[in-house]
Amino acid sequence: QLQLQESGPGLVKPSETLSLTCTVSGGSISSSRYYWGWIRQPPGKGLEWIANIYYSGSTYYNPSLKSRVTISVDTSKNQFSLRLSSVTAADTAVYFCGRYYSGFDPWGQGTLVTVSS
Amino acid sequence: EIVLTQSPATLSLSPGERATLSCRASQSVGSYLVWYQQKPGQAPRLLIHEAFNRATGIPARFSGSGSGTDFTLTISSLEPEDFAVYYCQHRDNWPTWTFGQGTKVEIK
Repeated sequence: QLQLQESGPGLVKPSETLSLTCTVSGGSISSSRYYWGWIRQPPGKGLEWIANIYYSGSTYYNPSLKSRVTISVDTSKNQFSLRLSSVTAADTAVYFCGRYYSGFDPWGQGTLVTVSS
Repeated sequence: EIVLTQSPATLSLSPGERATLSCRASQSVGSYLVWYQQKPGQAPRLLIHEAFNRATGIPARFSGSGSGTDFTLTISSLEPEDFAVYYCQHRDNWPTWTFGQGTKVEIK
């Protein structure tokens, strides 16, 4: 059974870079047809798609975040990662990773990242 | 950019009642519409993909319908575990992914 797990710092200072990793177990991240992506959810608010990476390595970004976001994959570790630069308090959220084919499924459990000095 | 608008924002119903949730797209999305359920403190769960296809393990009381710009998620008879927030989502041809703002189904 495929499982995803987010990891990374829970606290990031304003203006710094948020870095998160999603570790995939129970399957290969190189499997064809799938996108791997990041979605976030500010406290008490809705879901916002951040970025996806296709199994081929092609990347896709939310236009509103594109200038600050990088998604990458490390097939040797079966992981993919998110970097979000120049963070502000508005970037405080639970960050989820997920696999997408016809919908995001499965999802990681999510990790809360707080931006604060 | 396609915008998904969900209504109502909150639906207050009793167990056993029928729930009808709407998702309207700002332009046609064909049948490329996905529904998720999210409970407090949990990740969303995929319910319906391509407008009407139930995901693996999803009970038959959940059904999706619609095409083009108007979509509906119906829960035929609410169980206690169905009280949650529901989101619709679309992937366009660019591709980019978009979520609706959610509908909360609460106990009346």
